[in-house]
Formats: sequence, C-alpha cells, structure tokens
Amino acid sequence: SQKIEQNSEALNIQEGKTATLTCNYTNYSPAYLQWYRQDPGRGPVFLLLIRENEKEKRKERLKVTFDTTLKQSLFHITASQPADSATYLCARYAGGTSYGKLTFGQGTILTVHP
Amino acid sequence: NAGVTQTPKFQVLKTGQSMTLQCAQDMNHEYMSWYRQDPGMGLRLIHYSVGAGITDQGEVPNGYNVSRSTTEDFPLRLLSAAPSQTSVYFCASSSDRGSQPQHFGDGTRLSIL
Repeated sequence: SQKIEQNSEALNIQEGKTATLTCNYTNYSPAYLQWYRQDPGRGPVFLLLIRENEKEKRKERLKVTFDTTLKQSLFHITASQPADSATYLCARYAGGTSYGKLTFGQGTILTVHP
Repeated sequence: NAGVTQTPKFQVLKTGQSMTLQCAQDMNHEYMSWYRQDPGMGLRLIHYSVGAGITDQGEVPNGYNVSRSTTEDFPLRLLSAAPSQTSVYFCASSSDRGSQPQHFGDGTRLSIL
C-alpha cells in the first residue's frame, strides 16, 4: 500500500530560524505532493504543490523539495515567526485513475518560540 | 465566495442514532471528498465523488453513506452511530484530482456516546 510518513510529531524552533519538516513515502513516487497548514479548530489550508518532475518549489518564505531517490519531500519555512506555529500536513497523490484520492501524513506540530 | 461550508459544527449523538453531515461548496468543483481526522492518524478518506451521480469508497467507508445529486452538495450519512465514529469530519473539494489544491471546510466535531 502507499504510505506517507512525517518523521516528527513535533518540532520546536526559535523565531528567525529555518524550520524544516520531513515527509517520506513508500513504494513508487507520487505524481504530486501537497503541503497544508492546519490551525486548531480549523480545516487544512493548501500551501504548496510539487510535481514528480520538479526538484523545488518556492512561495515567499516557503520552499518545498522533492527527492525521488530518497523518496522524501522537505518543507522549509525561512525566517520563521510565532505566527507560523501550526500543524503541517503533507499528502501524496498517485496520479492516473486515483481520482481525488489524496493520502495524508499524520502531521507535524510546529511551534516557533519568540 | 464562502468556499466549503460544513454543518453542523458540533454534534453529540447516542449510539445507534443516525444523522447527516452537510457539505456545500460554491466553487463549481467536480471533486469532493469526506475525511475523518483522529489523533495520531492523520486525515483518512471515507468517500469521494468525481461528479454529480458518481461516488466511490475511500480508505474507511464502513458505517457511512454518501450521495451526490448536485455539484454543490455532498452529504455524509451515519447509518447507526457507534463510539468508534467519534471524530472530526472534514469535507473538501477541488477542481481536479491530486494536481489541484483541496479546499477544506472547518469540520464537524462529532461525539458518539
């Protein structure tokens, strides 16, 4: 079965540092990897998507990489701020006839300390 | 533009009761999904739909029914509530399969006593 795992349940960093979150997958590479942010009591909010043939994607202070050799995606938040504190989810989409089936990781709780 | 709207936000049921969780989207998205979120388990797909009249099972479909009579609405029915169905339920919609972002509602927090 296709699995996706986020290594750390929780990550604590100091304001201004770069936060790096890890997402590992098993079996074949997904066609797409997506990253979401979830605040307490709210639904997930889409942040970034990266395709299998892309190495890196950026949006403002966010960067996501996709390494098909390591079967891993890294999500970076540079110059982190306390407002970045939230749970971050990665999700894989296999492509083809999988329709809307996204498989989510269990999430990493990021806390940025002032 | 409201996005994805879920009702109710909170609900307490007794074992054996049935209920319907409502989900509506105003973005004209073809793809809609229901997930449940439990501590340490992440989001798990219950049922999904690729258009009006078309639904299919996800990872954890047992005990739930869905229908899709319109593009906008995708209700989730609990047939006979069990304590194991205590969870937070999220509805999502997207304009394409996994190549486009999913837009989530803010969830329904359901407790089964």
